[in-house]
Amino acid sequence: GAGVSQSPSNKVTEKGKDVELRCDPISGHTALYWYRQSLGQGLEFLIYFQGNSAPDKSGLPSDRFSAERTGGSVSTLTIQRTQQEDSAVYLCASSPQGVGELFFGEGSRLTVL
Amino acid sequence: GENVEQHPSTLSVQEGDSAVIKCTYSDSASNYFPWYKQELGKRPQLIIDIRSNVGEKKDQRIAVTLNKTAKHFSLHITETQPEDSAVYFCAAHDGGSNYKLTFGKGTLLTVNP
Repeated sequence: GAGVSQSPSNKVTEKGKDVELRCDPISGHTALYWYRQSLGQGLEFLIYFQGNSAPDKSGLPSDRFSAERTGGSVSTLTIQRTQQEDSAVYLCASSPQGVGELFFGEGSRLTVL
Repeated sequence: GENVEQHPSTLSVQEGDSAVIKCTYSDSASNYFPWYKQELGKRPQLIIDIRSNVGEKKDQRIAVTLNKTAKHFSLHITETQPEDSAVYFCAAHDGGSNYKLTFGKGTLLTVNP
């Protein structure tokens, strides 16, 4: 596809369940970010992948959150034992190597009941 | 790491007036400063950016200024229109090889007809 693709677009889950959110970045983009955005709030940084470097995990809010990026392309954000406060839109973004425009996906809206 | 402060958090103007949003950053090595616009329910999109070798850049009704000595940069929107209503995010790119992008907390701009 031409842009950053995220799935699912909407996910409703019960408290305590695990969820996986997927991001397909633009082909060839080496940088990939995950952000969390609660209603009416800013972009909360979660994790950053850049090429083959070790990911910057400094934004992950707890050890229930993890992310991986396989083959330098697709990334999966996993939230274990979900809590109601995890409800938010999770945005993925990618950019070419180095300094440049960040392209965002449409986001995955997570609702934890 | 980089720290980006953005002000004001909300801004309300009358249609036709100008709007100014200001950001400061902490890392003197940062060299790329983009601005993103996020309309309600949509993904953030780049509207203008500036690099550290330039003091000002204009694109129609939008301009960005950069003061590297003071480590601050600003977004100026002239002749505001209702469709300018959105959340605006400033950001700064890490000047080192990490290239990580750090966002400000955002400004909700409302243009009243």
